[in-house]
Amino acid sequence: DGGITQSPKYLFRKEGQNVTLSCEQNLNHDAMYWYRQDPGQGLRLIYYSQIVNDFQKGDIAEGYSVSREKKESFPLTVTSAQKNPTAFYLCASSIAGPLSYNEQFFGPGTRLTVL
Amino acid sequence: AQSVAQPEDQVNVAEGNPLTVKCTYSVSGNPYLFWYVQYPNRGLQFLLKYITGDNLVKGSYGFEAEFNKSQTSFHLKKPSALVSDSALYFCAVRGTGKLIFGQGTTLQVKP
Repeated sequence: DGGITQSPKYLFRKEGQNVTLSCEQNLNHDAMYWYRQDPGQGLRLIYYSQIVNDFQKGDIAEGYSVSREKKESFPLTVTSAQKNPTAFYLCASSIAGPLSYNEQFFGPGTRLTVL
Repeated sequence: AQSVAQPEDQVNVAEGNPLTVKCTYSVSGNPYLFWYVQYPNRGLQFLLKYITGDNLVKGSYGFEAEFNKSQTSFHLKKPSALVSDSALYFCAVRGTGKLIFGQGTTLQVKP
């Protein structure tokens, strides 16, 4: 999975809780991304960051928050405002941002289940 | 509207036979096109991309893809399928500010 680690692999959340998913990369990539994957829906972009201390909302940012304090780290917090957070979450990185032709490298994913 | 379509939810092929996984796209300007593969409970792995130049792009694990501008297609192909090729395949195109993914096609290769 190309130098990107995600933890934990499985995460269980109770109603009303915030949880944070970790994503770390050692590829020295500038851009990082968070996607949500649901069966039959492909990947949907939650947030992305092209540089430290800057990030942009994707298509489904409501109920999620991110930070980019270090180049190698891009944690995602799933807040209690996210109505249906049960999904497979994928972190990715690329040399340059989404307007470039660089491919994205993906982590192994975190499966979040709401109890 | 920018979009990617993978018209087949599942493709079944016998081991040793050629395989094709279809993808069509809609974007303005020159497309940047990608194929990824995903094994169960894993992240996506990059297979190949088309940026410019030769319409036939060769990638990892013996896969190749043919870019057809007039048909706005970027079909993934392999001359001889392996059982280990069974997985979920995603086509993607660079849109405005993001990568747009298709819904995925499950490839089932039977012995």
